[in-house]
Amino acid sequence: KAGVTQTPRYLIKTRGQQVTLSCSPISGHRSVSWYQQTPGQGLQFLFEYFSETQRNKGNFPGRFSGRQFSNSRSEMNVSTLELGDSALYLCASSDRGTGGSYEQYFGPGTRLTVT
Amino acid sequence: KQEVTQIPAALSVPEGENLVLNCSFTDSAIYNLQWFRQDPGKGLTSLLLIQSSQREQTSGRLNASLDKSSGRSTLYIAASQPGDSATYLCAPYSGGGADGLTFGKGTHLIIQP
Repeated sequence: KAGVTQTPRYLIKTRGQQVTLSCSPISGHRSVSWYQQTPGQGLQFLFEYFSETQRNKGNFPGRFSGRQFSNSRSEMNVSTLELGDSALYLCASSDRGTGGSYEQYFGPGTRLTVT
Repeated sequence: KQEVTQIPAALSVPEGENLVLNCSFTDSAIYNLQWFRQDPGKGLTSLLLIQSSQREQTSGRLNASLDKSSGRSTLYIAASQPGDSATYLCAPYSGGGADGLTFGKGTHLIIQP
Protein backbone atom coordinates (compact mmCIF):
# COMPACT_ATOMS: atom_id res chain seq x y z
CA LYS A 1 0.00 0.00 0.00
CA ALA A 2 1.43 3.39 -0.98
CA GLY A 3 2.16 5.80 1.85
CA VAL A 4 1.17 9.41 2.31
CA THR A 5 2.52 11.63 -0.43
CA GLN A 6 3.06 15.38 -0.33
CA THR A 7 3.85 17.79 -3.11
CA PRO A 8 5.89 19.79 -3.63
CA ARG A 9 8.70 18.69 -1.35
CA TYR A 10 10.41 22.08 -1.32
CA LEU A 11 9.11 25.56 -1.97
CA ILE A 12 10.58 29.04 -1.81
CA LYS A 13 8.17 31.97 -1.71
CA THR A 14 8.35 35.70 -1.06
CA ARG A 15 6.58 37.53 1.75
CA GLY A 16 3.04 38.48 0.77
CA GLN A 17 2.59 35.65 -1.72
CA GLN A 18 0.29 32.71 -1.21
CA VAL A 19 1.06 29.01 -1.43
CA THR A 20 -0.87 25.77 -1.85
CA LEU A 21 0.43 22.43 -0.60
CA SER A 22 -1.03 19.06 -1.53
CA CYS A 23 -1.40 15.79 0.35
CA SER A 24 -2.62 12.40 -0.88
CA PRO A 25 -3.54 10.03 1.97
CA ILE A 26 -3.14 6.28 2.16
CA SER A 27 -5.74 4.55 0.04
CA GLY A 28 -8.93 4.04 2.04
CA HIS A 29 -8.14 6.71 4.63
CA ARG A 30 -10.65 9.53 4.83
CA SER A 31 -9.01 11.63 7.53
CA VAL A 32 -6.21 14.05 6.69
CA SER A 33 -4.53 16.26 9.29
CA TRP A 34 -1.99 19.02 8.77
CA TYR A 35 0.82 20.01 11.12
CA GLN A 36 3.43 22.76 11.14
CA GLN A 37 6.90 22.04 12.48
CA THR A 38 9.34 24.81 13.40
CA PRO A 39 12.48 24.71 15.54
CA GLY A 40 10.96 27.11 18.06
CA GLN A 41 7.40 25.81 18.41
CA GLY A 42 7.87 22.17 17.53
CA LEU A 43 4.98 20.27 15.94
CA GLN A 44 1.66 22.07 16.03
CA PHE A 45 -1.72 20.90 14.78
CA LEU A 46 -3.26 23.03 12.03
CA PHE A 47 -6.50 21.27 11.09
CA GLU A 48 -8.13 17.97 10.26
CA TYR A 49 -10.41 17.12 7.38
CA PHE A 50 -12.68 14.11 7.33
CA SER A 51 -15.02 13.28 4.46
CA GLU A 52 -14.50 16.74 2.92
CA THR A 53 -15.39 18.58 6.15
CA GLN A 54 -13.06 20.38 8.52
CA ARG A 55 -13.47 18.62 11.85
CA ASN A 56 -10.92 20.25 14.08
CA LYS A 57 -8.78 23.36 13.90
CA GLY A 58 -5.69 24.41 15.81
CA ASN A 59 -4.75 27.86 16.98
CA PHE A 60 -3.59 29.40 13.71
CA PRO A 61 -4.72 32.61 11.97
CA GLY A 62 -7.28 32.59 9.19
CA ARG A 63 -4.49 32.91 6.62
CA PHE A 64 -4.15 29.16 6.98
CA SER A 65 -6.93 27.25 5.29
CA GLY A 66 -7.53 23.92 3.70
CA ARG A 67 -9.92 21.72 1.88
CA GLN A 68 -10.47 18.07 1.09
CA PHE A 69 -11.73 16.56 -2.12
CA SER A 70 -14.06 13.63 -2.68
CA ASN A 71 -11.07 11.33 -3.27
CA SER A 72 -9.72 12.36 0.21
CA ARG A 73 -6.80 14.31 -1.23
CA SER A 74 -6.28 17.51 0.71
CA GLU A 75 -4.79 20.89 0.02
CA MET A 76 -3.55 23.48 2.46
CA ASN A 77 -3.34 27.14 1.52
CA VAL A 78 -1.44 29.92 3.23
CA SER A 79 -2.18 33.46 2.08
CA THR A 80 -0.13 36.62 2.61
CA LEU A 81 2.97 34.69 3.62
CA GLU A 82 5.10 35.93 6.50
CA LEU A 83 8.70 35.08 7.33
CA GLY A 84 7.45 33.13 10.36
CA ASP A 85 5.55 30.75 8.09
CA SER A 86 8.83 29.15 7.08
CA ALA A 87 8.47 25.60 8.35
CA LEU A 88 8.14 21.94 7.52
CA TYR A 89 4.47 21.24 6.80
CA LEU A 90 3.47 17.66 7.49
CA CYS A 91 0.33 15.87 6.50
CA ALA A 92 -0.98 12.74 8.20
CA SER A 93 -3.72 10.33 7.25
CA SER A 94 -5.62 7.95 9.48
CA ASP A 95 -8.32 5.32 9.31
CA ARG A 96 -10.73 7.41 11.40
CA GLY A 97 -14.32 6.45 10.67
CA THR A 98 -13.52 2.96 9.41
CA GLY A 99 -13.51 1.21 12.78
CA GLY A 100 -9.73 1.18 12.78
CA SER A 101 -7.16 2.19 15.33
CA TYR A 102 -6.85 5.93 14.46
CA GLU A 103 -3.12 5.37 13.91
CA GLN A 104 -1.71 8.36 12.06
CA TYR A 105 0.72 7.98 9.18
CA PHE A 106 2.80 10.94 8.11
CA GLY A 107 4.06 12.05 4.74
CA PRO A 108 7.61 13.30 4.06
CA GLY A 109 6.57 16.94 4.42
CA THR A 110 6.88 20.10 2.38
CA ARG A 111 9.71 22.43 3.34
CA LEU A 112 8.48 25.99 2.86
CA THR A 113 10.95 28.86 2.95
CA VAL A 114 9.62 32.42 2.93
CA THR A 115 12.11 35.14 1.99
CA LYS B 1 -5.28 21.73 26.95
CA GLN B 2 -3.01 18.71 26.64
CA GLU B 3 0.67 19.30 27.37
CA VAL B 4 3.39 16.76 26.72
CA THR B 5 6.84 16.62 28.28
CA GLN B 6 9.62 14.32 27.15
CA ILE B 7 12.65 13.51 29.25
CA PRO B 8 15.53 13.53 28.56
CA ALA B 9 15.67 16.18 25.84
CA ALA B 10 18.87 14.62 24.52
CA LEU B 11 20.73 11.38 25.08
CA SER B 12 24.02 10.04 23.77
CA VAL B 13 25.00 6.46 24.57
CA PRO B 14 27.33 3.80 23.17
CA GLU B 15 25.97 1.11 20.90
CA GLY B 16 24.45 -1.93 22.59
CA GLU B 17 22.92 -0.18 25.60
CA ASN B 18 19.28 -0.51 26.60
CA LEU B 19 17.46 2.81 26.82
CA VAL B 20 14.33 4.27 28.34
CA LEU B 21 12.69 7.40 26.97
CA ASN B 22 10.02 9.05 29.07
CA CYS B 23 6.86 10.89 28.13
CA SER B 24 4.34 12.54 30.44
CA PHE B 25 1.05 14.19 29.55
CA THR B 26 -1.36 16.32 31.55
CA ASP B 27 -4.78 15.12 30.34
CA SER B 28 -5.27 11.40 30.99
CA ALA B 29 -8.49 11.23 28.93
CA ILE B 30 -6.73 9.96 25.84
CA TYR B 31 -7.90 7.66 23.08
CA ASN B 32 -4.44 6.39 22.18
CA LEU B 33 -0.77 7.34 22.22
CA GLN B 34 1.75 7.01 19.42
CA TRP B 35 5.52 6.99 19.43
CA PHE B 36 7.28 8.30 16.36
CA ARG B 37 10.82 8.71 15.19
CA GLN B 38 11.98 11.56 12.99
CA ASP B 39 15.21 11.68 11.07
CA PRO B 40 16.65 15.14 10.31
CA GLY B 41 14.57 17.01 7.74
CA LYS B 42 12.23 14.07 7.23
CA GLY B 43 8.66 13.17 8.11
CA LEU B 44 7.55 11.11 11.09
CA THR B 45 7.67 7.34 11.14
CA SER B 46 5.15 5.65 13.40
CA LEU B 47 6.86 3.18 15.75
CA LEU B 48 4.13 2.03 18.09
CA LEU B 49 0.51 2.80 18.83
CA ILE B 50 -0.96 2.02 22.25
CA GLN B 51 -4.71 2.16 22.70
CA SER B 52 -6.00 3.63 25.95
CA SER B 53 -7.14 0.16 27.08
CA GLN B 54 -3.67 -1.35 26.59
CA ARG B 55 -0.71 -1.35 28.96
CA GLU B 56 2.04 -1.99 26.45
CA GLN B 57 2.96 -2.73 22.87
CA THR B 58 6.03 -4.38 21.40
CA SER B 59 7.65 -4.24 18.00
CA GLY B 60 11.02 -5.89 17.58
CA ARG B 61 13.50 -4.21 19.92
CA LEU B 62 10.97 -1.56 20.93
CA ASN B 63 8.53 -1.77 23.80
CA ALA B 64 6.17 1.03 24.80
CA SER B 65 4.16 1.12 28.00
CA LEU B 66 1.25 3.31 28.98
CA ASP B 67 -0.02 4.29 32.42
CA LYS B 68 -2.97 6.44 31.50
CA SER B 69 -4.03 7.23 35.04
CA SER B 70 -0.67 8.77 35.90
CA GLY B 71 -0.22 10.35 32.47
CA ARG B 72 2.98 8.51 31.60
CA SER B 73 4.39 6.47 28.76
CA THR B 74 7.84 5.01 28.27
CA LEU B 75 9.63 3.75 25.19
CA TYR B 76 12.20 1.05 25.85
CA ILE B 77 14.84 0.40 23.18
CA ALA B 78 16.81 -2.80 23.60
CA ALA B 79 20.35 -3.34 22.31
CA SER B 80 20.60 0.09 20.69
CA GLN B 81 22.23 0.47 17.27
CA PRO B 82 23.65 3.51 15.42
CA GLY B 83 20.66 3.35 13.08
CA ASP B 84 18.43 4.16 16.06
CA SER B 85 19.87 7.68 16.12
CA ALA B 86 16.94 10.06 15.57
CA THR B 87 14.50 12.26 17.45
CA TYR B 88 11.78 10.31 19.23
CA LEU B 89 8.39 11.92 19.74
CA CYS B 90 5.41 10.81 21.76
CA ALA B 91 1.93 12.03 20.92
CA PRO B 92 -1.24 11.33 22.86
CA TYR B 93 -4.51 11.64 20.97
CA SER B 94 -7.60 12.71 22.86
CA GLY B 95 -10.08 11.99 20.08
CA GLY B 96 -13.41 13.66 19.50
CA GLY B 97 -13.09 17.38 19.01
CA ALA B 98 -9.51 17.47 20.25
CA ASP B 99 -6.75 19.33 18.51
CA GLY B 100 -5.22 16.41 16.68
CA LEU B 101 -2.11 14.83 18.08
CA THR B 102 -0.25 16.80 20.74
CA PHE B 103 3.50 16.45 20.51
CA GLY B 104 6.28 16.84 23.00
CA LYS B 105 9.58 18.45 22.04
CA GLY B 106 11.09 15.01 21.60
CA THR B 107 14.20 13.19 22.76
CA HIS B 108 17.19 13.61 20.46
CA LEU B 109 19.00 10.27 20.59
CA ILE B 110 22.54 9.59 19.40
CA ILE B 111 23.93 6.07 19.46
CA GLN B 112 27.72 6.07 19.26
CA PRO B 113 29.27 3.24 17.20
